[in-house]
Amino acid sequence: DAGITQSPRHKVTETGTPVTLRCHQTENHRYMYWYRQDPGHGLRLIHYSYGVKDTDKGEVSDGYSVSRSKTEDFLLTLESATSSQTSVYFCAISGKGQGWTTGELFFGEGSRLTVL
Amino acid sequence: KNQVEQSPQSLIILEGKNCTLQCNYTVSPFSNLRWYKQDTGRGPVSLTIMTFSENTKSNGRYTATLDADTKQSSLHITASQLSDSASYICVVIPETGGFKTIFGAGTRLFVKA
Repeated sequence: DAGITQSPRHKVTETGTPVTLRCHQTENHRYMYWYRQDPGHGLRLIHYSYGVKDTDKGEVSDGYSVSRSKTEDFLLTLESATSSQTSVYFCAISGKGQGWTTGELFFGEGSRLTVL
Repeated sequence: KNQVEQSPQSLIILEGKNCTLQCNYTVSPFSNLRWYKQDTGRGPVSLTIMTFSENTKSNGRYTATLDADTKQSSLHITASQLSDSASYICVVIPETGGFKTIFGAGTRLFVKA
């Protein structure tokens, strides 16, 4: 298994509270991604990073922010959680020794977030 | 809009039987197409990868096919096992790059003894 750790794995919070999910990798991959997975939808990209302090928005970025201060850590923050952000969040990495257009994505185990 | 559509949404088969999962896409041009397997409560794991010029790719009991003319891919599972119970996700990476990767919603496969 690729060395990707997500924390927390499960979290229940209330509407309006801030939430931070952490992704930690030990593979020294350049690219890191945050996806959300909802029933009936494919994985949707929230934000991605192509290097330390280099990030960009994905398809569903509203209400989310990210930071990457070190190669190994990529944080996803919900500034004020809403019920529509109840989902399973996956971190993924790619890019070590591979072209970024063909690189395989390696996923973490997921973080299940429930916003009441 | 680029899309990836999978069918069926779910499928139940008996252990030892074969099955085929379908993927239709509108992404064009694309760099490559992958099939991922996602066990319940786990992250997806890549099974196969094909470029637009490849027609078939095998990985053990899994065989993926690609018809670039009709924009269809299929994943054939031979002699199914209980451990094949999972979601199978079709993924297309456009030529514009990996950040534009498009995921299908997946087919949920149940293999029964």
